[in-house]
Amino acid sequence: SAVISQKPSRDICQRGTSLTIQCQVDSQVTMMFWYRQQPGQSLTLIATANQGSEATYESGFVIDKFPISRPNLTFSTLTVSNMSPEDSSIYLCSVELTGRSSYEQYFGPGTRLTVT
Amino acid sequence: GIQVEQSPPDLILQEGANSTLRCNFSDSVNNLQWFHQNPWGQLINLFYIPSGTKQNGRLSATTVATERYSLLYISSSQTTDSGVYFCAVAGTDSWGKLQFGAGTQVVVTP
Repeated sequence: SAVISQKPSRDICQRGTSLTIQCQVDSQVTMMFWYRQQPGQSLTLIATANQGSEATYESGFVIDKFPISRPNLTFSTLTVSNMSPEDSSIYLCSVELTGRSSYEQYFGPGTRLTVT
Repeated sequence: GIQVEQSPPDLILQEGANSTLRCNFSDSVNNLQWFHQNPWGQLINLFYIPSGTKQNGRLSATTVATERYSLLYISSSQTTDSGVYFCAVAGTDSWGKLQFGAGTQVVVTP
């Protein structure tokens, strides 16, 4: 398994500001992902962040709104830019641990964001 | 993309009861995982089970890949089993991108 931490765990932000969320994993991983969970909903993939390449975004998510950095194999950041109340969600990072035909993913504890 | 359907959407159980949650998916997968989301939002890995059967204590899971469904069994339920159970899958050409079902909200009453 993997131990994943996220900072901050929660935040309350004002409309129009930006927040950067950090994700740290205790081992080197190639595949990292960022997900969003809106209130009462399931999880939706925002983007895939692989070290050494640009993040790839899913339909409905754009780099200007959710810029991502992946400077090394244990760390990534997601920024939520120019926030509006609709961005109030839990943001989770995950990592894929591969080996022996396994592609299991593990999730961080999440960052609970409220935009006022 | 791949479609994931979970049933039932809600389940209310008395402590000690058994239950079965179902996950149907629309295409071949190389990853199928069951998660439990606790009241604090943490996703707990229950099973990585793209095929076959696994058991862990009171929980077990079976995936029949050829028929594109998976079942999660909870036996002798406890109040700590309450929360949302998610099934998530990744298609064979999806490079690890998990598609989540809508979840099953489970409430276990004393």
